[in-house]
Amino acid sequence: DAMVIQNPRYQVTQFGKPVTLSCSQTLNHNVMYWYQQKSSQAPKLLFHYYDKDFNNEADTPDNFQSRRPNTSFCFLDIRSPGLGDAAMYLCATSRDSASNEQFFGPGTRLTVL
Amino acid sequence: KQEVTQIPAALSVPEGENLVLNCSFTDSAIYNLQWFRQDPGKGLTSLLLIQSSQREQTSGRLNASLDKSSGRSTLYIAASQPGDSATYLCAVSSSGNQFYFGTGTSLTVIP
Repeated sequence: DAMVIQNPRYQVTQFGKPVTLSCSQTLNHNVMYWYQQKSSQAPKLLFHYYDKDFNNEADTPDNFQSRRPNTSFCFLDIRSPGLGDAAMYLCATSRDSASNEQFFGPGTRLTVL
Repeated sequence: KQEVTQIPAALSVPEGENLVLNCSFTDSAIYNLQWFRQDPGKGLTSLLLIQSSQREQTSGRLNASLDKSSGRSTLYIAASQPGDSATYLCAVSSSGNQFYFGTGTSLTVIP
């Protein structure tokens, strides 16, 4: 089945130790998004790629970076995780623009020790 | 900036009841509104997508309506079942590939 896949599902890292989260999609969608969701809060958009064009949200900390080497894959890099970065990280795709339906992966739960 | 509100934050109903979840948004300049379901510790599952030109969408026991001018959407769930227990989120999209989410309604259906 076509889908959005996130690896790993659970990630534990130490304070300040860089970590990379992975997302892949078989939908061949142009747009890929990364969201951060903390407990009982709404998902918060960090950034998105429209094809190779990177779009950063104004309030996304510099500590968060992203790479999209090809259509199928997108990575979230957290350069120096702090305790406040512990959250669920959700990857989503849409075919072209905001007028299209979003499809989400299962998420990666990040714990920072 | 778009703000999305969902009321109530939590809802508990006995099995078999029909129920309505509410979503409101402050800026009517949207492309679409999407309803999602989220189970604890999981990702979001898309339930229904309503384009800005549409008034409602139906899928099985679910019916979503959209009144763009008043900034409101409702999700109607008929004949609720324990398996419907989850958090339901709405999200609106606007220009620039922007999506804004509500904080969700946590639904518990009691057998």
